[in-house]
Amino acid sequence: ELKVEQNPLFLSMQEGKNYTIYCNYSTTSDRLYWYRQDPGKSLESLFVLLSNGAVKQEGRLMASLDTKARLSTLHITAAVHDLSATYFCAGFFGNEKLTFGTGTRLTIIP
Amino acid sequence: ETGVTQSPTHLIKTRGQQVTLRCSSQSGHNTVSWYQQALGQGPQFIFQYYREEENGRGNFPPRFSGLQFPNYSSELNVNALELDDSALYLCASSRMDSYGYTFGSGTRLTVV
Repeated sequence: ELKVEQNPLFLSMQEGKNYTIYCNYSTTSDRLYWYRQDPGKSLESLFVLLSNGAVKQEGRLMASLDTKARLSTLHITAAVHDLSATYFCAGFFGNEKLTFGTGTRLTIIP
Repeated sequence: ETGVTQSPTHLIKTRGQQVTLRCSSQSGHNTVSWYQQALGQGPQFIFQYYREEENGRGNFPPRFSGLQFPNYSSELNVNALELDDSALYLCASSRMDSYGYTFGSGTRLTVV
């Protein structure tokens, strides 16, 4: 059974601090996605990682992929309140669907 | 370039009823996928349509069905609604030959 696990599930962090969200998946994935979701809203695409060692950065967010370890990370640098949201990773396992993790609810505290 | 539009935004139905949700794909996209997101959970894949045919299905019963039209818009139909069908239903459009998915704003379905 395909599994995508994220940790932590909940994260409260102070503004200005750094932290990392981890995404482990149980089988080979062609690609790995990161999405942001605000309460009651849809999914906003953040990153698509296509190969081992891929690293992408946008503002205070940086995502990386290690296909050998079946691990992706989303690193937050110098957090600001606007980054408060739920973050999902999703794997594409070649069967025409995205398999999502359970999400990490991030709260940035002033 | 238009995004993905879903309608209605909110819906309340009674157990046992039927519902139809609609999705208009982003311009240039030929594939539509539907996902169910229960409160506090990640989205779960329902099915995907490509060239007006189902092209993959998740672990959902047959009372969940869909259509894709020649203009690539899509419908999700759910028969015999159950309380557990209450969720946010998300539509995502994409191109079969690319990696990106564009999600719509979703339809919040409440079954009472």
